[in-house]
Amino acid sequence: LAKTTQPISMDSYEGQEVNITCSHNNIATNDYITWYQQFPSQGPRFIIQGYKTKVTNEVASLFIPADRKSSTLSLPRVSLSDTAVYYCLVGDIETGGFKTIFGAGTRLFVKA
Amino acid sequence: AAGVIQSPRHLIKEKRETATLKCYPIPRHDTVYWYQQGPGQDPQFLISFYEKMQSDKGSIPDRFSAQQFSDYHSELNMSSLELGDSALYFCASSPYRAEQSYEQYFGPGTRLTVT
Repeated sequence: LAKTTQPISMDSYEGQEVNITCSHNNIATNDYITWYQQFPSQGPRFIIQGYKTKVTNEVASLFIPADRKSSTLSLPRVSLSDTAVYYCLVGDIETGGFKTIFGAGTRLFVKA
Repeated sequence: AAGVIQSPRHLIKEKRETATLKCYPIPRHDTVYWYQQGPGQDPQFLISFYEKMQSDKGSIPDRFSAQQFSDYHSELNMSSLELGDSALYFCASSPYRAEQSYEQYFGPGTRLTVT
């Protein structure tokens, strides 16, 4: 499983766009990139997943450059309720989908 | 929509006692995962099951065991409890690779306190 590196924490203000970058230099050909969000004392919640280029859903966008050695989670116009820990996970769905390794996530603080 | 159910939600045990945590996955989800999250820590993968067979193992202590039953619910059995076992225990479920997704659906967790 590829190791991931994210910033420990980030601050933002309501209404701003937040970009959290994750480095995964050892990503393998079959690996997908997945992001989870976790609020205190709650289970992580799936946000978005991608393999290459750009993926967008109603919550966020995920940008993945051609070399796939990093990825950026983009949260448009954050609100106070987006204050949470965000985890970047990298793994092979086919052979590694049963073992999910959460690294050190990014603690996002959204201020009024 | 149905979610993952965990019971009990809170559990207080003394050192050296045993505890059993239960997880009921979302209907038609055949894969179950267990995680441990200590205070201020990131979730640690313990073990997973697919179709009632252990599929992968993480940092699960030998004092812990788990299984998945014919109705797909799972139980995590913890013996000789130690103070360090105090944590939130999450169960998650997913459909097996059918949707080519890493998306796991997490339950609300069981907060275990060992005194």
